Amino acid sequence: DTGVSQDPRHKITKRGQNVTFRCDPISEHNRLYWYRQTLGQGPEFLTYFQNEAQLEKSRLLSDRFSAERPKGSFSTLEIQRTEQGDSAMYLCASSFAVGNGVGNIQYFGAGTRLSVL
Amino acid sequence: AQTVTQSQPEMSVQEAETVTLSCTYDTSESDYYLFWYKQPPSRQMILVIRQEAYKQQNATENRFSVNFQKAAKSFSLKISDSQLGDAAMYFCAYRSPLGGSQGNLIFGKGTKLSVKP
Repeated sequence: DTGVSQDPRHKITKRGQNVTFRCDPISEHNRLYWYRQTLGQGPEFLTYFQNEAQLEKSRLLSDRFSAERPKGSFSTLEIQRTEQGDSAMYLCASSFAVGNGVGNIQYFGAGTRLSVL
Repeated sequence: AQTVTQSQPEMSVQEAETVTLSCTYDTSESDYYLFWYKQPPSRQMILVIRQEAYKQQNATENRFSVNFQKAAKSFSLKISDSQLGDAAMYFCAYRSPLGGSQGNLIFGKGTKLSVKP
């Protein structure tokens, strides 16, 4: 098991273009989270999946953002009509959640750094 | 809503010495989990140590230990015998119990730790 992987590591795009990021979680992890981290800030929650179901979206996730996790495995995060304010590091994390337990340790990928010109 | 505050944007420590990073949080919940994550430059975030709020005993992981003061809502990280590899951003994070919650982490803004040889 190689941990959580994210692709690409860096993405440079022009304003108005669409971009898609991929996250491959640790196998058999049932939860997958997306966070956004801007310069000088801690990561902020965007959305999460329990298996293939998207159960929560933060208000940071505008209508231009969409996330999927088909078959409960990898996940994609798409940003349509990118804006300069979308420039950030997009982090993915996965965990195996059972009940309320502390076992829900989130393991992070290295992130995708998006620059919108 | 829960909040996490890290009041030290930057800290510096001499190699082999001890440093303490501060974290305070605000919550009305009685049961929760607290974490310290380390984010080296351009690398993925990794878990350093975790604390369950219902446990009075402070968590310890090798050179890393916490001072958890539940009444004061304080959760500081002590790094003993600092090493050059400890240089990184350190994030304090809060998580509610999973039941009735998405289980996402709420992060502080981070503390950048430099280690001087």
